[in-house]
Amino acid sequence: QKEVEQDPGPLSVPEGAIVSLNCTYSNSAFQYFMWYRQYSRKGPELLMYTYSSGNKEDGRFTAQVDKSSKYISLFIRDSQPSDSATYLCAMTLSGSARQLTFGSGTQLTVLP
Amino acid sequence: EPEVTQTPSHQVTQMGQEVILRCVPISNHLYFYWYRQILGQKVEFLVSFYNNEISEKSEIFDDQFSVERPDGSNFTLKIRSTKLEDSAMYFCASSERSGGANEAFFGQGTRLTVV
Repeated sequence: QKEVEQDPGPLSVPEGAIVSLNCTYSNSAFQYFMWYRQYSRKGPELLMYTYSSGNKEDGRFTAQVDKSSKYISLFIRDSQPSDSATYLCAMTLSGSARQLTFGSGTQLTVLP
Repeated sequence: EPEVTQTPSHQVTQMGQEVILRCVPISNHLYFYWYRQILGQKVEFLVSFYNNEISEKSEIFDDQFSVERPDGSNFTLKIRSTKLEDSAMYFCASSERSGGANEAFFGQGTRLTVV
């Protein structure tokens, strides 16, 4: 079983739609969860960062973590064509560990 | 807005040659990282660096790889004898804090092509 699994898509939605992106993971020791956005041939850009279970909202973006199910989600409301990118989930252990473990990314296209 | 900068943006090298990839992390950050992404694959951790020494490394980071912070601003990744399978995007990242509060910020990457 892969440590972090993410549906690669591609996912195509009309402008204004609510987008739901998800990752599952197998290591219950993961404590910190991030979502990155990556445009083609660019570096990952940090979007959201959450610790343990719960929700976090930032503008049109909401991140959810359900540690009991080992499942994290990113919701994008009122999606825009500029949201078209690959979305990567990433997570890290607690304590002194710093390395991020990434999902494979979901390619999202928002159609005008 | 502060950002991580990487040079060069694209490097082509012959198999067996040494390459040095350069990074300038965000100035008040203390933790530095290298990741790589082979085309179409996941972003993979290579190494983390703090207080002038390696703090973690992955299985990928073998004896062919080394990192250095030669001065107060640069952070470099050296690949001693490149192989075809080293062709990838290499991302430098930095973070301000330690442990799980690891809000890492990434550079734009260096595309390494080994021919």
